Amino acid sequence: KNEVEQSPQNLTAQEGEFITINCSYSVGISALHWLQQHPGGGIVSLFMLSSGKKKHGRLIATINIQEKHSSLHITASHPRDSAVYICAGQGNTPLVFGKGTRLSVIA
Amino acid sequence: DTGVSQNPRHKITKRGQNVTFRCDPISEHNRLYWYRQTLGQGPEFLTYFQNEAQLEKSRLLSDRFSAERPKGSFSTLEIQRTEQGDSAMYLCASSLTWTDTQYFGPGTRLTVL
Repeated sequence: KNEVEQSPQNLTAQEGEFITINCSYSVGISALHWLQQHPGGGIVSLFMLSSGKKKHGRLIATINIQEKHSSLHITASHPRDSAVYICAGQGNTPLVFGKGTRLSVIA
Repeated sequence: DTGVSQNPRHKITKRGQNVTFRCDPISEHNRLYWYRQTLGQGPEFLTYFQNEAQLEKSRLLSDRFSAERPKGSFSTLEIQRTEQGDSAMYLCASSLTWTDTQYFGPGTRLTVL
């Protein structure tokens, strides 16, 4: 069992829909990262959070340390949001990554 | 552009050949990380440096793999006697400290024929 699990693996949404991607982890972490990966490989860091909630534009990330669960929300989704979204846990060891959620937003 | 560059972007090689990749991190970043990503999977940690010191290596890093960061700036990852199973995207990232955001390079896609 992977130490960081994401769901769903694949997600197709209509433009404008509210999207939620979930991440559960079994390792002890000090921070949880959300990353975005576009076709071609480039990875961009979206959020790093250790508690509560962070918001950047249409993106919101939340984390519940007690439940070892984090969510990434996208409001008013747009086709340019289509990408792979990866969560990764950071503790005393290097990042442990989930397998990613492939999001396709259709116009 | 995150400020982290990797070269080459693509490498095709025949099985048994040696290959070397280079990563240039953001200049003031002390930490430099190497990851490997295969199709449909998330990245996996390979090794990391604090300045020129290699602090940790994954079990994924067999004896055929070696990484260096000789002056605490750029880093190289060499794979000797490549195997088809080495085909993957090799990603480099850098950060200022352990707890800071990591900035990823565009990756080097290796194909071993």
